[in-house]
Amino acid sequence: GENVEQHPSTLSVQEGDSAVIKCTYSDSASNYFPWYKQELGKGPQLIIDIRSNVGEKKDQRIAVTLNKTAKHFSLHITETQPEDSAVYFCAVYSGGYQKVTFGTGTKLQVIP
Amino acid sequence: DSGVTQTPKHLITATGQRVTLRCSPRSGDLSVYWYQQSLDQGLQFLIHYYNGEERAKGNILERFSAQQFPDLHSELNLSSLELGDSALYFCASSGQDIPYGYTFGSGTRLTVV
Repeated sequence: GENVEQHPSTLSVQEGDSAVIKCTYSDSASNYFPWYKQELGKGPQLIIDIRSNVGEKKDQRIAVTLNKTAKHFSLHITETQPEDSAVYFCAVYSGGYQKVTFGTGTKLQVIP
Repeated sequence: DSGVTQTPKHLITATGQRVTLRCSPRSGDLSVYWYQQSLDQGLQFLIHYYNGEERAKGNILERFSAQQFPDLHSELNLSSLELGDSALYFCASSGQDIPYGYTFGSGTRLTVV
């Protein structure tokens, strides 16, 4: 089955700095890579996603990059704000009725 | 509000008991996915239903079962509960038969004592 590794598990940054979270996966057939943000007491919320035919996608301060050859993808958050503090999960989907496999999560703390 | 409704929000029950968790998907979504989230296991996929039919099973215990009704709401039944079943249970819905762009509910926190 798919194996997804997410690093780091915790990340502290100063407000205004950038944060980068990386995930690696094992199945070369994987074709959809979403990122979810989970705030305390809430369910995960989709914040950005990318498909395998695209190398990079941006949405305001958030971007995702995908390296299919190396089988890794990263979430980039620029100009971090305290409200970015949350747990971030990457996920990988390999097609058909295969399940979505989630990474183990990164707890991001933005220090004001 | 994500549009996915889960009830109850909290549930405390004793070992050996049976509980039912309910999920109403976002309006128009035909797929419902159930996930278990515990501190040491992260988000674990349990089961997926699409328009009333079971599509895929993950690491779902035999003590657990689920179904999706004609009105598209889904129920997850957990029986013979053990302490280790204490976790957050999330459902997510999507408009397609494949999991592009889940919308998660706010979860049910189950505590088994």
